[in-house]
Amino acid sequence: RKEVEQDPGPFNVPEGATVAFNCTYSNSASQSFFWYRQDCRKEPKLLMSVYSSGNEDGRFTAQLNRASQYISLLIRDSKLSDSATYLCVVNGNTNAGKSTFGDGTTLTVKP
Amino acid sequence: NAGVTQTPKFQVLKTGQSMTLQCAQDMNHNSMYWYRQDPGMGLRLIYYSASEGTTDKGEVPNGYNVSRLNKREFSLRLESAAPSQTSVYFCASSDGGMQWETQYFGPGTRLLVL
Repeated sequence: RKEVEQDPGPFNVPEGATVAFNCTYSNSASQSFFWYRQDCRKEPKLLMSVYSSGNEDGRFTAQLNRASQYISLLIRDSKLSDSATYLCVVNGNTNAGKSTFGDGTTLTVKP
Repeated sequence: NAGVTQTPKFQVLKTGQSMTLQCAQDMNHNSMYWYRQDPGMGLRLIYYSASEGTTDKGEVPNGYNVSRLNKREFSLRLESAAPSQTSVYFCASSDGGMQWETQYFGPGTRLLVL
């Protein structure tokens, strides 16, 4: 079993739709959680950190469920520009050198 | 402020050839990382440097060596390239190497080993 697993996708949704991605992790000692966005053939960029209480940034909401060991990303009112691959990243309890990336979930938003 | 830069952008090697991938950051970050990303997969950590003068192995270090030349620069060397090393290589940096920090990535080097 992989340390970090994501919905395989791809997700194809119309503009304006709401879409949710899940990510599960196996190490219960994991401390920090992130969603990165990666556009085709580009470098990953931080979308948002995921806090224990959940957090929202505009149309994006991230939540953490420690008991079930998963994090989620909700995108409301999808835009064409949201089309990308979304990477779930989990850090251990030491330092960022132990970041584990999921394989990513690809989202395509269509007109 | 260029952030994280990588050279070269593209490279084609023959099996057995050697090369060094260069990475530099101008954000005064302490920690730097080398990842590889194979098609349809997430990033896997090759080596990282928590601070100047230190390097540690990541998940997939075999076939690679690294040098933290100074605080700005972190190079990755392939001594004898193999087709299995065909991949996209990303360098990244973060402020102090702590678990909650954002990692900033360079644009990547696309390597093909024939």
